[in-house]
Formats: sequence, C-alpha cells, structure tokens
Amino acid sequence: QVQLVESGGGVVQTGMSPRLSCAASGFTFRSYSMHWVRQAPGKGLEWLALISYDGSKKIYTESVKDRFTISRDNSKNTLYMQMNNVREEDTAIYYCARDSVVATGGFDHWGQGTLVTVSS
Amino acid sequence: DIQMTQSPSTLSASIGDRVTITCRASQTISSWLAWYQQKPGKAPVLLIYDASSLQSGVPSRFSGTRSGTQFTLSISSLQPDDFATYYCQQYSDYPWTFGQGTKVEIK
Repeated sequence: QVQLVESGGGVVQTGMSPRLSCAASGFTFRSYSMHWVRQAPGKGLEWLALISYDGSKKIYTESVKDRFTISRDNSKNTLYMQMNNVREEDTAIYYCARDSVVATGGFDHWGQGTLVTVSS
Repeated sequence: DIQMTQSPSTLSASIGDRVTITCRASQTISSWLAWYQQKPGKAPVLLIYDASSLQSGVPSRFSGTRSGTQFTLSISSLQPDDFATYYCQQYSDYPWTFGQGTKVEIK
C-alpha cells in the first residue's frame, strides 16, 4: 500500500535551515508529481510547492518561494523540502502528498506530517 | 490567487441528517475542485475530485456538485464517523488554494 513518511521536524530557531524528508513506498515514486502542504496549529491547509515526476518542474506559493526549495531523489524514493531562514510563522505540520492518479489535480495520498516549531 | 470561500465555518448536525457544505471560487475554476475530510491529529483524506467524482473507497453518502463557481459537498445521512473538518481545494491555477474549512459537530 502507498506510504509516505515525513521526517526532519522539530524545534528550530528563527533563521535556521531545516530539511524535511518524505520517504515513499508502495508505488512507483518516479512516476508521480509530489507536493508539500502545511497546516499551522489550529488553522487550515496551505499548499506550498509541487515538483514534477522527474524534478524538471517546480512551482511554489509566493510566501515560501525565495526561502524553501523542493527536490527529490528518485533513486531513493524520497522527497525533500529545504527550508531556509525560517520564521515563527513557518511553525506548522508539514505534509507531503502525492498527486492524484485519477484527477488532474488534488492529493490522493498524504503522509502523517512532521511538526516544525520555529522559536526565537 | 484564487480565493476559496467555504460556508458555514461550523455546522452542528445529528446522526442521519443531510448535510451540505458550500465552497465558492473567486473566479472560474471549471470543475477542478477537490474535497477532503480531516479528523483531529490526522492527515486529510480525499473524498471528491473533479467536483463530483467519488474517490475510490469513499462511501456513496458523500457527493459533490458544481454550479458555476459554487461547489457543494453533501452527506446524505450523517454517520458518527463523519464528524470532522472538511476542506475544498482548487487545482485550476497555481498556487493551489484551499477553503478555510467547515467543522461538522455533533448537535
């Protein structure tokens, strides 16, 4: 079955550069576009970034595009998010999600999330 | 960015009730809309894609419709497992955006 397992979260200080990972299994990772979505404590969902199946296309939301970098290693079935110069407002649960196999968009599988807490 | 406005923010209902949640897009998104269910401490789960297509494994009491830029998620007969927060999400244009969520509570 499809599994997505995020890691790399924790408590970090403002200005630091944590890297999140998402280990994928149970499907052909190299065939799917992947995404990062976050959720601040008690708040709604915010889409952050997309990376195409081969890594050639990357799209970001404006609030992170100059600080976060999405990448993937298809040989390791792993998705990454490099977060630079984090701010307190980046405190959130970060989910990786797979592009829907049946729809033009949307996410048909999600990881359990990893919590990043940014503290000054 | 395309704004997605959900209503209501909170909904109180009883087991067996028919429940309707509305999501309005700030511009046309064709039928490029999904609905998700999220329970506390869990990741969201895809319910509906392309506005009205039921994701595999999702109970048939869930349905979605579109009228112009207004979208509706309906639950025909609310079950105990359905008390959760529901989000709409557009994938017509980047950045993909979500509604603010509708919490369905027990009346």
